[in-house]
Amino acid sequence: EVQLVESGGGLVQRGGSLRLSCEASGFTFSTFSLNWVRQAPGKGLEWISYISSSRRSTIYYADSVKGRFTISRDNAKNSLYLELSSLRDEDSAVYYCAREVFGSGTYAMDVWGPGTTVSVSS
Amino acid sequence: DIQMTQSPSSLSASIGDRVTITCRANQSISSSLNWYRQKPGKAPELLIYAASNLQSGVPSRFSGSGSGTDFSLTISSLQPEDFAGYYCQESYSPRYTFGQGTNLEIK
Repeated sequence: EVQLVESGGGLVQRGGSLRLSCEASGFTFSTFSLNWVRQAPGKGLEWISYISSSRRSTIYYADSVKGRFTISRDNAKNSLYLELSSLRDEDSAVYYCAREVFGSGTYAMDVWGPGTTVSVSS
Repeated sequence: DIQMTQSPSSLSASIGDRVTITCRANQSISSSLNWYRQKPGKAPELLIYAASNLQSGVPSRFSGSGSGTDFSLTISSLQPEDFAGYYCQESYSPRYTFGQGTNLEIK
């Protein structure tokens, strides 16, 4: 079964740091690009970061997290990571990892994990 | 930056109804538009990719159309599991943008 499972969420103080993980199974992890998407309580989806499948990874960040969050991957461990630092109240959210596929000339996120919750406290 | 405007933000309908949700981009994005359904407390799931292509395993009551700046998602006959949130997402730019979402409620 193709699966993504996030972990590492929790309660952290404002200004603190946290490392999220996303473990993949059921597919050849190294050949897929991956994304992190978050959803604040009662709010919509916000894309926050992308990492390509290539050895020399292409990386993108949303302006809201650039300079504070770092995406990385370890293909040997079938794992995706997101390092969160200088956390703010508005970073409280459910964080999802999502696999990206290419079809009919565009990209889409076809497999999602169940999410991990980050709560930033003052 | 690409902005996606989704409407309506909420919608009340009954089982068996036909409903349409629209999404507009502030610049042309060709057919680089995807639709997702998010059931309460669950992760999003891909319904439609590249504006009009049905994702494998998704029921045929879902359909998508549009290109350029204007897109729509139609559900031909609402089922109980369809009362959920719906999001469009552009994949034209390297930094993706979601619409603000549509909450589909039972009337």
